[in-house]
Amino acid sequence: NAGVTQTPKFRILKIGQSMTLQCTQDMNHNYMYWYRQDPGMGLKLIYYSVGAGITDKGEVPNGYNVSRSTTEDFPLRLELAAPSQTSVYFCASRGRDFSSYEQYFGPGTRLTVT
Amino acid sequence: GESVGLHLPTLSVQEGDNSIINCAYSNSASDYFIWYKQESGKGPQFIIDIRSNMDKRQGQRVTVLLNKTVKHLSLQIAATQPGDSAVYFCAESLNQAGTALIFGKGTTLSVSS
Repeated sequence: NAGVTQTPKFRILKIGQSMTLQCTQDMNHNYMYWYRQDPGMGLKLIYYSVGAGITDKGEVPNGYNVSRSTTEDFPLRLELAAPSQTSVYFCASRGRDFSSYEQYFGPGTRLTVT
Repeated sequence: GESVGLHLPTLSVQEGDNSIINCAYSNSASDYFIWYKQESGKGPQFIIDIRSNMDKRQGQRVTVLLNKTVKHLSLQIAATQPGDSAVYFCAESLNQAGTALIFGKGTTLSVSS
């Protein structure tokens, strides 16, 4: 299994541009998550999904949108990029095992908005 | 604001020492806690987890202790190695269904040989 994959690895955007960060998992996990991590800080939850067709806001959803049309994919959309969105973005997934809430993380996308 | 945090942003130890990383939480209803390790330039990796009906759980060279009375969590790493150098995060479950996790700020562990 490849696990959780994210593309691109790096991206530079100009203010006002749009882009989609891609996330795919091949573990048949129901739960998927998007986090952002600012320098020296912990992870902040942006959006999450408990299954295809279901999404919900996390701690910091403003400026982002998500969709979940399949179990495997959970893209994150930035519509009007702002410098405050410069961060490292991590996608994660989790299965339905309720004995553990372990999330599996992708390698991250480093985004710079200038 | 954040409900999960760590006492110290950095910890420096010598190779072979035991390391203790602390975490305080504020939500007394939290029933699940988890520790992650993040190496530079990588995504977080699971280390160990614990439910609120336990006080202690052991893994390979790691032990998590939970003190619900003072709402404190700690991660103990035995015989710390240079490969343990990383940022360590504790997180708690957002709700009892484990739908999402809320992460603290992290402690940077530096191991010198």
